[in-house]
Amino acid sequence: DGGITQSPKYLFRKEGQNVTLSCEQNLNHDAMYWYRQDPGQGLRLIYYSQIVNDFQKGDIAEGYSVSREKKESFPLTVTSAQKNPTAFYLCASSRGGTTTDTQYFGPGTRLTVL
Amino acid sequence: AQSVAQPEDQVKVAEGNPLTVKCTYSVSGNPYLFWYVQYPNRGLQFLLKYITGDNLVKGSYGFEAEFNKSQTSFHLKKPSALVSDSALYFCAVRVVYNQGGKLIFGQGTELSVKP
Repeated sequence: DGGITQSPKYLFRKEGQNVTLSCEQNLNHDAMYWYRQDPGQGLRLIYYSQIVNDFQKGDIAEGYSVSREKKESFPLTVTSAQKNPTAFYLCASSRGGTTTDTQYFGPGTRLTVL
Repeated sequence: AQSVAQPEDQVKVAEGNPLTVKCTYSVSGNPYLFWYVQYPNRGLQFLLKYITGDNLVKGSYGFEAEFNKSQTSFHLKKPSALVSDSALYFCAVRVVYNQGGKLIFGQGTELSVKP
């Protein structure tokens, strides 16, 4: 999992609440990503950021929001508009945003909606 | 549509035997291919990648993968499996997306190595 930390490891949310998942990296990487993992499925891209103060929607951005105010931090907010938020959330980073750069992943946050 | 397929949900091998985890892809342009491993309740660990050059790529923990352009495949292999190799394996292809790139993942293959 290298120099990428995610917190908390487990998170429980009541319906109608917003929650924020933390992702921090000390790899000096420019690009950061958020993925969602559901059982029996591959990872799906939620948002990504190639540089500070800039981010782009991924394939499943509805109900999520992000910010990139610092190079090392890329928090993800799961809003009440997300219909089925229970999942395993993975943050990743890469040196740049080009197609050949390797993405490295954090340990993940498991979100459960009660 | 650009995609990655892992045709086997589960692969079972005996310890000491060779293992293969299959992956096929469909992309426009040059494929940039990756293999990751995931242990329970953990993040993904990078194993290896193919960008260009030699079709046989060597990676971490004794794993290697063979790129076959004509068969659009990138199968993961290891000559002698260990019980500790038991995990979930993901193949992914990096594609151009908006002004950057994104990974498209296969569904994952669960590898089980029995003593």
